[in-house]
Amino acid sequence: SQTIHQWPATLVQPVGSPLSLECTVEGTSNPNLYWYRQAAGRGLQLLFYSVGIGQISSEVPQNLSASRPQDRQFILSSKKLLLSDSGFYLCAWSGLGRRSFGPGTRLTVT
Amino acid sequence: ILNVEQSPQSLHVQEGDSTNFTCSFPSSNFYALHWYRWETAKSPEALFVMTLNGDEKKKGRISATLNTKEGYSYLYIKGSQPEDSATYLCAFKYGSSGSARQLTFGSGTQLTVLP
Repeated sequence: SQTIHQWPATLVQPVGSPLSLECTVEGTSNPNLYWYRQAAGRGLQLLFYSVGIGQISSEVPQNLSASRPQDRQFILSSKKLLLSDSGFYLCAWSGLGRRSFGPGTRLTVT
Repeated sequence: ILNVEQSPQSLHVQEGDSTNFTCSFPSSNFYALHWYRWETAKSPEALFVMTLNGDEKKKGRISATLNTKEGYSYLYIKGSQPEDSATYLCAFKYGSSGSARQLTFGSGTQLTVLP
């Protein structure tokens, strides 16, 4: 069965600091990978998706970026965080018509 | 921009009550509708994937119906229990199965079941 790992679970960062969130998937190869964000009081918003190593599509213009250096690794980054980047970040994997989500990272930008 | 609306935004019911909530989505170019159950501090859990107009799916005390012509889906919970407390998300997928990105989520219905 597939397992998705995300870390850290919670993070408090000052405005202007860099960010790196990591997601890894076990039990599958060449998965489609996604980064979602839920801001307070809002639904899940797709940020990035990737269909393979080095292939990243951005859904929303912002100061975040994503990279996929290995088949089962997906990284979300920022050079300088904004207050509006606070939220709950979920990594997801898709296959067979379903999506499975990782445990999430709660990011608070202060 | 696709609009997926869920109502109500939040709901409090007594243990044993049955309840239902709604997901509305665009009725054109429908492909699939997903329901997820999301407990606090956990990742969303897939409940149902529905693709056909008139579909009805059931999992224990939870069931869902789908009307693609009018663009809505209902989620029902029979005899609510405190452990049913969670946010219930629906997500709409349009177009062909070839796209990896076309899944739009609603903002969820937050259910609290009081003992």
